[in-house]
Parts: sequence; structure tokens; C-alpha cells
Amino acid sequence: QKEVEQNSGPLSVPEGAIASLNCTYSDRGSQSFFWYRQYSGKSPELIMFIYSNGDKEDGRFTAQLNKASQYVSLLIRDSQPSDSATYLCAVINIGNTGKLIFGQGTTLQVKP
Amino acid sequence: DGGITQSPKYLFRKEGQNVTLSCEQNLNHDAMYWYRQDPGQGLRLIYYSQIVNDFQKGDIAEGYSVSREKKESFPLTVTSAQKNPTAFYLCASSDTGFSTEAFFGQGTRLTVV
Repeated sequence: QKEVEQNSGPLSVPEGAIASLNCTYSDRGSQSFFWYRQYSGKSPELIMFIYSNGDKEDGRFTAQLNKASQYVSLLIRDSQPSDSATYLCAVINIGNTGKLIFGQGTTLQVKP
Repeated sequence: DGGITQSPKYLFRKEGQNVTLSCEQNLNHDAMYWYRQDPGQGLRLIYYSQIVNDFQKGDIAEGYSVSREKKESFPLTVTSAQKNPTAFYLCASSDTGFSTEAFFGQGTRLTVV
């Protein structure tokens, strides 16, 4: 079982729609959860982090965390063609290993 | 300006050679990481370090070595034992804490010729 799992996609949505990206993790002791966006050939850049159960909103982005289900998601509202990228979920267990582990990423395509 | 710098951006290696990728940060971060990314794949952890003079193997450490003699520097050596080293290598650093973002360098693209 992979430590962090994502559907590799591609996920295709029309412009203006809501894109929903999902991630599950295996280490129940994980404390912090991150969503990064990566354009082709570039380095990842942080979109959001979350560490409490529930929702966290930042502009068009909402991160959702459910520790009981070991599940974290990212919603992108009013999707734009510029949102087309690979979205990487990352998880860290600071108190145990300190490893920052990434999923394989989900490719999002927003079609005009 | 604070940041994390990787060099070189492109690197070509002959089979059987060792090469060293540089990673320097001036963000005063304790933790540093090396990842490997293959086309269409996510980031796989090679090595990480949470403090000077200490580092741990990640999931794919075989064929790689690191050192952490200074807080600012975390070089990665790709040895001849790494049979398939062609990939995009990313270095990252972060504070050690609850909600700390990892900052990435621009990456080094290594190609075996």
C-alpha cells in the first residue's frame, strides 16, 4: 500500500466548473497535509495546507480533511484554463519520521 | 532574497560516473529533502535531513548518497550504483513544525549519455 495515494487522472473539467481532487494516506499519525500545484517542467508550489479536521478555504480553493477516514481533498471552484496542472498531495508525520511524502499527483485539464 | 538554489539546472552523466547535485538554502530551515521525479510521476523521497550531521534514507535511497555538514547545504551524489538515474531531481527545505511549507529549488534534470 502506498503511503499517499491519488488518482493520476487526467481529470477533465469545463471552464467555470468545480474540480475535485482526492487523496488518501496510510499513516494514521500524520499531522499536516499539503496541496501543491506543479506545471510541466517546473517545481511544485504550495496552494494550501491543512491540519485540522474540516474545511479550509482560500479564494477559489477549499481543502477538506477527514482524519478518521484518512482522506484529504482539494476543491477548485470556477476552474480556469490556467489551473491546468498536476496537483500533488503531501503528508507529514512530524512526531514520528519527519518524512514529507508525496502522492503521484493528479493531472487536471480545464477546457475552455 | 531568501530561497533555495539547485545547481546545475541540466546535467549530463556518462555511465559509470558519480555526479553531485548541489542544493543550498538561506531560509534558515532545519529540514531538507531530496526527491526524484520521473515523467508523469509524483515525487519519490530519496533522502531527508532534519538537523545538521544527521540524515535518513527515504523510499529510494539505493544508489544515492548525501551529506549535511552545514545547515545551508544538502548535496546529493548520484553514484554509479544507481542504474537508472535519468530523472528530474528536486531539493526542498522547510522549518520543522506543524504547518510548515516546503520550499523547492528549480530542480536539476539529469540525463545519462
